[in-house]
Parts: sequence; structure tokens; C-alpha cells
Amino acid sequence: AQSVTQLGSHVSVSEGALVLLRCNYSSSVPPYLFWYVQYPNQGLQLLLKYTSAATLVKGINGFEAEFKKSETSFHLTKPSAHMSDAAEYFCAVSDQWRDDKIIFGKGTRLHILP
Amino acid sequence: KAGVTQTPRYLIKTRGQQVTLSCSPISGHRSVSWYQQTPGQGLQFLFEYFSETQRNKGNFPGRFSGRQFSNSRSEMNVSTLELGDSALYLCASSSGQPSDTQYFGPGTRLTVL
Repeated sequence: AQSVTQLGSHVSVSEGALVLLRCNYSSSVPPYLFWYVQYPNQGLQLLLKYTSAATLVKGINGFEAEFKKSETSFHLTKPSAHMSDAAEYFCAVSDQWRDDKIIFGKGTRLHILP
Repeated sequence: KAGVTQTPRYLIKTRGQQVTLSCSPISGHRSVSWYQQTPGQGLQFLFEYFSETQRNKGNFPGRFSGRQFSNSRSEMNVSTLELGDSALYLCASSSGQPSDTQYFGPGTRLTVL
């Protein structure tokens, strides 16, 4: 069975500081991994996804994530936080060998301090 | 290309009633997945339809059902509503391939009184 654990339901960083949102996954088969962002009263928007092509994945809005198989991690980073990055972020995993079922983490709310 | 649309955006019902939510996927997409989002449980997968067939199902009671039409539009029905069914219901569409991106709609906010 697959699962996703996001460490920290709330993370606060200062504007201009490094953003690091942690995600660990559990999967018995090669996974696909995703990061989604959700702004208030909106649906989810894909930031980036890992599909085994490259371990360092670059996404939209300056975000990137690195797949580390040995650590079963897929942490999301951004070098410099912007006020507009304040939102909820979800890490998700799906099975490379199956179809479209995606398992989401509980989410991390990112707060940007001026 | 138009995005995923969901109707209605907001809905208020009372316990015991039933409700039907609609999702129109991106043109050309054949897969529609439904999720329930609540503050306590987070995002939970309900079911997925591909080419009018239910392909995947989450762990929800039989009160939750769905269907997909030949034009890929999908509906989700919840019968005998309970207070705990209050949630944001999101649908997502994709081509149906495992690596393909799922595109989410804005959701339907259901409140059960």
C-alpha cells in the first residue's frame, strides 16, 4: 500500500528565505510523485511531478523537488519565498504500474512572514 | 483549452437528502477522478471513471456513487446525506495514463445541515 507523510502541518518562513516542505512516501513499487498547491477557495494546481526521468524536478513558480530513493523522500524547495507563495501544499504518490489513483498527504500550510 | 468545470460551486442540503454534483473534464480527457476534502481527513480519493467505467474506488460507503457519460462528463451522487458529508468535492481530469497530470476543478462546497 502507498502512503505519504508530510512533516509539519504549518510552516512559516520569512519573505526571501528558503522554503523547504518535507514529504516522505511509502510505496512497494516505483512511484510517481507529485506536489500540488491549493490557494484559498480554489482547486489544486500541479507544481511538479517525478516520473523517473530525472531525480531533480523543476516546477512552476521557482519550485523544485529532489527524489531520493534511499531516503524515500521528495522534499519541495524554493530558494527565495515570496508573499504569493502562501498557500497549502500537498505531496502525492501514485503507482507507476497502475492507473490513476493518487494518494495525497495531509498537506502543509505555508505562511510567509513579511 | 477550457479547464475542468464543476457545478454547482456551492450547495446547502439537509440530512437525509441526496445530492448530485457535476464535473466536465478538459476536452479530450477520458479519465475523471473525484476527491473529498475535509479539514480532518484531508484529501481522500472517492473513485475514478475512465471511458464510462469505474476503474478505481476508494474506501467510501455505498451512499457515494458516480457515473460517466459518453462525452466524459461525470456526475457524483451522495444519498441519505449525513453531517459528516460536508466537504469540498474536487474532480480532476486526465488522459488516463499513469504519468499524466491530473487537472483539478475549483470544487463544489457541500454543506449539510
